[in-house]
Amino acid sequence: GIQVEQSPPDLILQEGANSTLRCNFSDSVNNLQWFHQNPWGQLINLFYIPSGTKQNGRLSATTVATERYSLLYISSSQTTDSGVYFCAANYGGATNKLIFGTGTLLAVQP
Amino acid sequence: DTGVSQDPRHKITKRGQNVTFRCDPISEHNRLYWYRQTLGQGPEFLTYFQNEAQLEKSRLLSDRFSAERPKGSFSTLEIQRTEQGDSAMYLCASSLPGSSPLHFGNGTRLTVT
Repeated sequence: GIQVEQSPPDLILQEGANSTLRCNFSDSVNNLQWFHQNPWGQLINLFYIPSGTKQNGRLSATTVATERYSLLYISSSQTTDSGVYFCAANYGGATNKLIFGTGTLLAVQP
Repeated sequence: DTGVSQDPRHKITKRGQNVTFRCDPISEHNRLYWYRQTLGQGPEFLTYFQNEAQLEKSRLLSDRFSAERPKGSFSTLEIQRTEQGDSAMYLCASSLPGSSPLHFGNGTRLTVT
């Protein structure tokens, strides 16, 4: 079946450090989205990135659709970056529904 | 843009009771989704509406679950005869037509005792 795998599952950083989170998907995707779930459970859409590279402040994302992976870069991490990062893939069809990975739990320590 | 709104934020109920959750999507979004998330897992798709039409339901959505979006605006998700396994975060999301970013609400956390 369709799979979305994320690595690493857990990550601990000191404030100010950089990190790269990876998302592998098992088939060609229509689009790929990255989300941050904060400790209160809210899911924030970070990037809508079917291919190419996008940047938003200290965050950037790259999707290489032909090789079926996406990367999320966090630079100069802050404690507010803590939470779970999910990638989610849309495999086409009329609904635009997303299949989520299992997430990367990030803890940024002061 | 006031975002996706969900009510209530938390619900504690006894096994066997019925519960209903409400979702108000972003006003110009015609697509609405319900997801369920259990501890340590990513959200799982439950059902999808385009305007008032329910166009897809997951196998996760048993006969005890029903969702409506009567006028193509807000949506409700009802769970009848709740079971302990229904305890989860229920998330609502909305999007514009086509291949578009999904925007999630804060979720309703259900605890069945």
